[in-house]
Amino acid sequence: KNEVEQSPQNLTAQEGEFITINCSYSVGISALHWLQQHPGGGIVSLFMLSSGKKKHGRLIATINIQEKHSSLHITASHPRDSAVYICAVRTGNQFYFGTGTSLTVIP
Amino acid sequence: DVKVTQSSRYLVKRTGEKVFLECVQDMDHENMFWYRQDPGLGLRLIYFSYDVKMKEKGDIPEGYSVSREKKERFSLILESASTNQTSMYLCASRTSETQYFGPGTRLLVL
Repeated sequence: KNEVEQSPQNLTAQEGEFITINCSYSVGISALHWLQQHPGGGIVSLFMLSSGKKKHGRLIATINIQEKHSSLHITASHPRDSAVYICAVRTGNQFYFGTGTSLTVIP
Repeated sequence: DVKVTQSSRYLVKRTGEKVFLECVQDMDHENMFWYRQDPGLGLRLIYFSYDVKMKEKGDIPEGYSVSREKKERFSLILESASTNQTSMYLCASRTSETQYFGPGTRLLVL
């Protein structure tokens, strides 16, 4: 069983749509990270959360510690948002990764 | 900005060859990691290092070894490459809070 589960695995959206990607985890965590990986491989960190909500431009990340659940929202999606989004949790010195959500935004 | 670089973006090797993947970070981080990424499996930890000359096995160390002679450089070695080691290899360096990833090396073993 994976410590981190993401849904959906694949997502196709029309440009402008509101997108939600979900992440559930089963371990106690110090922090949760949302990562973005574009075609070509490079991974960048979007958010680090330990409680509540964070917003950066059109991206919003929320976390519910009691329910062990986080969501990543993209408002007014754009083709350049097409990427794989990975949820990762840190517990102590260990990171656990979800398998990623592949998002395609169609013009 | 933290920079993590990997020696190659793409590599093609033959079965049985010895393969070296190099990773360099420029932020004096103590912690460095090697992952492989495969479709449907996500990122899996191969080896990590918390200090120079120190190494620890991750979840899937079989068929791999590592070297950390200098703080900024962490090398992954495939002693005898096999086709099931065809994958994307990602190096990361991190502080206590955030990981910084290199651009990845796509390795194809024929």
